[in-house]
Amino acid sequence: GAVVSQHPSWVICKSGTSVKIECRSLDFQATTMFWYRQFPKQSLMLMATSNEGSKATYEQGVEKDKFLINHASLTLSTLTVTSAHPEDSSFYICSARPELRAGGPETQYFGPGTRLLVL
Amino acid sequence: GNSVTQMEGPVTLSEEAFLTINCTYTATGYPSLFWYVQYPGEGLQLLLKATKADDKGSNKGFEATYRKETTSFHLEKGSVQVSDSAVYFCALKASNTGKLIFGQGTTLQVKP
Repeated sequence: GAVVSQHPSWVICKSGTSVKIECRSLDFQATTMFWYRQFPKQSLMLMATSNEGSKATYEQGVEKDKFLINHASLTLSTLTVTSAHPEDSSFYICSARPELRAGGPETQYFGPGTRLLVL
Repeated sequence: GNSVTQMEGPVTLSEEAFLTINCTYTATGYPSLFWYVQYPGEGLQLLLKATKADDKGSNKGFEATYRKETTSFHLEKGSVQVSDSAVYFCALKASNTGKLIFGQGTTLQVKP
């Protein structure tokens, strides 16, 4: 099946630093990628939807200046957590949706997640 | 609004036991319903889905029936295996927004 990778799988950083998380679709082209966040014992929450070559669409309550998303190619999207603080510590998951001809609208392939700990 | 609620885990079972993981939802309109599974170190994978009331999704021995009257989509398996140990997420795709809304996930541990 389709594979999505995330890098790094976990990261620890100091408060005030920026952290970049990569999401790659390894064997298909993804016109749309999604970024989710999950706090312990809570639901995955959609943060933003990114389409290749255009600006990301952020969900209500998500600061676009804090969570910078770049979807520069059909196989790569990045999430940068700028000036990270301890409350940003969470599990970040991306998913990628293939071009429509390759799958139905519900087809999303998920990465394994990145655990961020901000000290 | 749209939301999904799952039973809290972890759920610990012996091999060959019967599994039920409860899932209820609140939604506007007529959502599609999904179960995803996440094995250790891997991404979420679609396990099964149902797109309308009374539909039954099934895969790998798992089943779930879309119950509109009780707004539920409980996951069941007759005989679990150690290899079923994973985190299971119930989700809905809202008909008004097209976005996936997830529950908090339920960890299943199956012991030999």
